[in-house]
Amino acid sequence: AQSVTQLDSQVPVFEEAPVELRCNYSSSVSVYLFWYVQYPNQGLQLLLKYLSGSTLVESINGFEAEFNKSQTSFHLRKPSVHISDTAEYFCAVSDTGGFKTIFGAGTRLFVKA
Amino acid sequence: KAGVTQTPRYLIKTRGQQVTLSCSPISGHRSVSWYQQTPGQGLQFLFEYFSETQRNKGNFPGRFSGRQFSNSRSEMNVSTLELGDSALYLCASSLEGQFYGYTFGSGTRLTVV
Repeated sequence: AQSVTQLDSQVPVFEEAPVELRCNYSSSVSVYLFWYVQYPNQGLQLLLKYLSGSTLVESINGFEAEFNKSQTSFHLRKPSVHISDTAEYFCAVSDTGGFKTIFGAGTRLFVKA
Repeated sequence: KAGVTQTPRYLIKTRGQQVTLSCSPISGHRSVSWYQQTPGQGLQFLFEYFSETQRNKGNFPGRFSGRQFSNSRSEMNVSTLELGDSALYLCASSLEGQFYGYTFGSGTRLTVV
């Protein structure tokens, strides 16, 4: 079975500052890893995913995440955040053979002017 | 192309009643998953369907059931509603499973009074 721990429930940060949202997972088998973003009153949107290959994956809006197998982590980073990045971010894990995705509890990113 | 469509968006039901929620996946997507989202429990996996077959289910009581039709549209049903069933129910579709990541609908907000 897999589990996901998002280490921060809320992260306040000033606009144009860097941010890191932390995610650790637990699994006894190979996994796929995902970050999703949820804006108020909307469903989740896929931000980026790690399936295999390069451990650094990037999204189109400047976020990146690095898969670290030894530390079982998949932290999300952005070098400079905008007000519009204010949202809830979910880390998720799926085993490569199963048919369900487990989500972390979410991290609420609040970008202040 | 059209996204994942969930109907209705909002629903108010009385304890003891039953409810049916509908989800139309993205055209061509054959996998549909359902999640319950609450402030206290986060995203909890309900079940996943692929080509009309349930491939996996979460730890919910038998009052929660679902099905998928030949056109990949899916419904979930909750019988004998309880106050604790109040939540945002999210449907997510994928081409064949979690490998491709999910596309989520905006959800159905169910309130049980």
